[in-house]
Amino acid sequence: DQQVKQNSPSLSVQEGRISILNCDYTNSMFDYFLWYKKYPAEGPTFLISISSIKDKNEDGRFTVFLNKSAKHLSLHIVPSQPGDSAVYFCAAAVNYGGATNKLIFGTGTLLAVQP
Amino acid sequence: EPEVTQTPSHQVTQMGQEVILRCVPISNHLYFYWYRQILGQKVEFLVSFYNNEISEKSEIFDDQFSVERPDGSNFTLKIRSTKLEDSAMYFCASNRLAGVTDTQYFGPGTRLTVL
Repeated sequence: DQQVKQNSPSLSVQEGRISILNCDYTNSMFDYFLWYKKYPAEGPTFLISISSIKDKNEDGRFTVFLNKSAKHLSLHIVPSQPGDSAVYFCAAAVNYGGATNKLIFGTGTLLAVQP
Repeated sequence: EPEVTQTPSHQVTQMGQEVILRCVPISNHLYFYWYRQILGQKVEFLVSFYNNEISEKSEIFDDQFSVERPDGSNFTLKIRSTKLEDSAMYFCASNRLAGVTDTQYFGPGTRLTVL
């Protein structure tokens, strides 16, 4: 039951260029989306999020785009830096107003930024 | 900066043995979670916990699993009789406010190896 899919297991980009990581989802109930970054031997770290009422959210070098009709979101990193090399997880949740909210994760994309 | 901590970092156990994985969430957080990641697979939600009771649990979280907040700081995951397929990285997470928009902070994980 892969409700959140990241079809690219890995991506390699040159330092200074744009990194684009993609994510697709199948559950139309999802209304909140997040990106987490994970370094080896560490837990996932929150990066950026977007509500389904928006189509873009920007935070410094990181921008998330949401296309609800296509059930697709992407993370853009500009410019990419070697320190961005990590596994990036897309996650989704249903904002049903409950106290706790489980996150549904994709399988991750390993980004390698070459100096 | 406050962080979620987990102990041990690596636990090796024999099949059928009980294990307890420990987490210390961020001190003013009220909502707690366990996730796991089997090697090469996605991060999966196990259980959420609030106000000393389980809020939500996944199909994975069967009778072999239990969670507890034994005091004001620890949050534990117990696996009563471990199976080979329980081998995974287990992540604890916490957040302060109700609702999906409040960031879940993850610990570094405990790698459980069942032999």
